[in-house]
Formats: sequence, C-alpha cells, structure tokens
Amino acid sequence: AQSVTQPDIHITVSEGASLELRCNYSYGATPYLFWYVQSPGQGLQLLLKYFSGDTLVQGIKGFEAEFKRSQSSFNLRKPSVHWSDAAEYFCAVGASGFGNEKLTFGTGTRLTIIP
Amino acid sequence: GAVVSQHPSRVICKSGTSVKIECRSLDFQATTMFWYRQFPKKSLMLMATSNEGSKATYEQGVEKDKFLINHASLTLSTLTVTSAHPEDSSFYICSARPTGTGELFFGEGSRLTVL
Repeated sequence: AQSVTQPDIHITVSEGASLELRCNYSYGATPYLFWYVQSPGQGLQLLLKYFSGDTLVQGIKGFEAEFKRSQSSFNLRKPSVHWSDAAEYFCAVGASGFGNEKLTFGTGTRLTIIP
Repeated sequence: GAVVSQHPSRVICKSGTSVKIECRSLDFQATTMFWYRQFPKKSLMLMATSNEGSKATYEQGVEKDKFLINHASLTLSTLTVTSAHPEDSSFYICSARPTGTGELFFGEGSRLTVL
C-alpha cells in the first residue's frame, strides 16, 4: 500500500528566508507525486506535480520540488518565502495511469511566517 | 484552470437530520469525482470515488448507507450525510478530474457542524 510521510507537523520561518518541506513516500511502482497548499477553510490548490522526466519540477508561486528515487523523497522548496505562503501543505502520492486517482495524502505541514 | 465548486460552504444541522453537499465542475465534464473528509489538524481521508451513471466505490470503513453519493450528471456529484450525528462534523472536500485528462481539481470544501 502506498503511504506518505511528512515528518514536520509545523514549521516557522522568517519572511524572506528559504524553505524546505519534507516528504517521503512509499510506493511499489513509479510514483506520481504532488504538493498541494490549503489556506484556512479552503480547498486544496495544486502547487506542482511529478509524473516522469526531469526530477526537478517547477510549480506555481515560486515553489519547486525534487524527486529523489534513492531517498524516496519529494521535498518542496522555495528560496524566499512571503507572508502569503503561510498555509497548510500536503504531499500526496497517486496510483493510476493518470497519476491522480485515489490520492494518498500526508498529514500535512503547517507553515507559519514571521516578520 | 478548471473550477470545482462546492455548496454549501458551511452548514449547521441538528442531530438526526440529513444534509446534502453538492460538488459541481463548472467548466468541464468529470466522469469521476472524489469525496474526501478532513478532520481538524489531520490529513484528507478518501471516502469514496463517485462515477457518473454508476454506483460509488467506497473506501474501507466508510459507511455507504450513511454517506450517500450520487453522480447523476457529468458536472454534479452529491454527498448526503444521513441521520447526521456530532461525530460526522468535519470538513468535506470533493475533487474532480476532467474526462480524458490527468489533472485533478479540488473544491473549496464544505464544513459540516452537527449539533
């Protein structure tokens, strides 16, 4: 069965500082990986996804993530965070030909930005 | 991007009553929609896969008689929480995949509070 682990429940960073959110997955085949962001009381917005090809993927809002098969990781990064980046971030793994049916989500990482 | 809309965004009901939540794909057709439940400070749990014109597929442990799902058209899926109890209070999120594509879009969520 597939699973996703986000080891950090809550991260606090200063505005302008760099950010890395960790995600480790467990899946028996080639994974389809996603990062979503959720603002309070809102649904989820896709930041980026990895299906195949270049292991460094670029997303919206200046985010990027790197797929490392040897480490079973798909960490999310941003070089300089903005106050508006404060939200809950979810890593997810998909298991289908399209890669996004029956998504399994991690428990999320809450990001707090301090001035 | 494609838009998925949920209604209502918030609903409060008395214990024992039934509540219907709608999930609409506004500018695309979706043969498949998914319903998730999110507990406070927890991740999203897939409840069921809703297929247009056929019965929903429920995940293990989800009571199909309590959470009725109907996907009557290519743009609408409904989740009815029957005989709601306080433990059903949660944030329910739907997602939809445009037919023939691999992209998954999420609704803004519906917060149910059962008194």
